[in-house]
Amino acid sequence: NAGVTQTPKFRVLKTGQSMTLLCAQDMNHEYMYWYRQDPGMGLRLIHYSVGEGTTAKGEVPDGYNVSRLKKQNFLLGLESAAPSQTSVYFCASSIPGLFAYGYTFGSGTRLTVV
Amino acid sequence: GENVEQHPSTLSVQEGDSAVIKCTYSDSASNYFPWYKQELGKRPQLIIDIRSNVGEKKDQRIAVTLNKTAKHFSLHITETQPEDSAVYFCAASGGSNYKLTFGKGTLLTVNP
Repeated sequence: NAGVTQTPKFRVLKTGQSMTLLCAQDMNHEYMYWYRQDPGMGLRLIHYSVGEGTTAKGEVPDGYNVSRLKKQNFLLGLESAAPSQTSVYFCASSIPGLFAYGYTFGSGTRLTVV
Repeated sequence: GENVEQHPSTLSVQEGDSAVIKCTYSDSASNYFPWYKQELGKRPQLIIDIRSNVGEKKDQRIAVTLNKTAKHFSLHITETQPEDSAVYFCAASGGSNYKLTFGKGTLLTVNP
């Protein structure tokens, strides 16, 4: 039982390049989330999904797209990376009725856009 | 949407002292308030949570209190130890039961 796994762990992109971050969970969680963490800004929600085939915008969705084709995977895409997207990205998952156990976080992806 | 304010942003205490971190929220419909601890370079981990029908919850050296009328909740750590040094985040559920809004975090340093 690996929990929530994020790949890659580190990445450096040039401005304008694209990439996809993968989040995989093996806990059969219904809900999945992508947050970004910046110094002094806490964790801000980018997009989330409440089930396979569904996605919704969070607080800071601009410049990102997501897909949830399979229940266990939640992909975050950057179509044209910008330096402002330099951040640490955390994926999380939870069961319905969030309050039972809260979120389980992945170990994060540190992305630098130069 | 929900807005969570967290104070202080940094807190330094001596080992053995108590530490208190406070958060306020804006959405009166919020009914779930977790606290996460994040050590340097690691993922956030849930340390304690409280639901809106409870005023206080304790787990060994940590406790959380909730004042729904004033829309604020606090984390209390007693007998602090160097391993308590980390960034602590509060969060609130807003009017949903499926996503959290986080405060900006408090860097707690416990000096030996």
